[in-house]
Amino acid sequence: DTGVSQNPRHKITKRGQNVTFRCDPISEHNRLYWYRQTLGQGPEFLTYFQNEAQLEKSRLLSDRFSAERPKGSFSTLEIQRTEQGDSAMYLCASSLIPGSQYFGPGTRLLVL
Amino acid sequence: QKEVEQDPGPLSVPEGAIVSLNCTYSNSAFQYFMWYRQYSRKGPELLMYTYSSGNKEDGRFTAQVDKSSKYISLFIRDSQPSDSATYLCASGKETSGSRLTFGEGTQLTVNP
Repeated sequence: DTGVSQNPRHKITKRGQNVTFRCDPISEHNRLYWYRQTLGQGPEFLTYFQNEAQLEKSRLLSDRFSAERPKGSFSTLEIQRTEQGDSAMYLCASSLIPGSQYFGPGTRLLVL
Repeated sequence: QKEVEQDPGPLSVPEGAIVSLNCTYSNSAFQYFMWYRQYSRKGPELLMYTYSSGNKEDGRFTAQVDKSSKYISLFIRDSQPSDSATYLCASGKETSGSRLTFGEGTQLTVNP
């Protein structure tokens, strides 16, 4: 399968714990995006990488959130001191040409 | 006001019907317009990608963009029960790294 992959697919954690998600983009894609989606809503942009450089962050991305893309390949999204409001689907997308983004299956986070 | 507005439905049609899904947007700088299909608990799947105004056809799907009225449409001909999903419109512009702004999605059910 040469699509975008995300791990884990599901994560249940207790409030206050740290969690980390991984995204492996389509191999030749230099652009990588993270979005968050809550029930009944469309995805909301969190952050964007071009190669290894993080070029844009949404104001939704509080200080508890950090993302990396070492060597311009896979990316990780870490949430520190999780809160119940962080419960959502976290989606990763990649693209080669502007606009045409391909999404992974998402990581569904539940914070108890 | 949200930058991309979409009627959430739900929309229910009989099999074989022509489905019309619509969005409006407010940011005149948007250059890319996409339609995604999302099945329950899955990641969004790219259906149609249009740059600037015009029509694009792919099998049973036709996407239309009218930049003068800031209106985006998706038509599905000969709808099938397998088309039952949430349809998300999205727009973006290169100056923001092509991050996408999504509507909230329209839930479609095609009844056999």
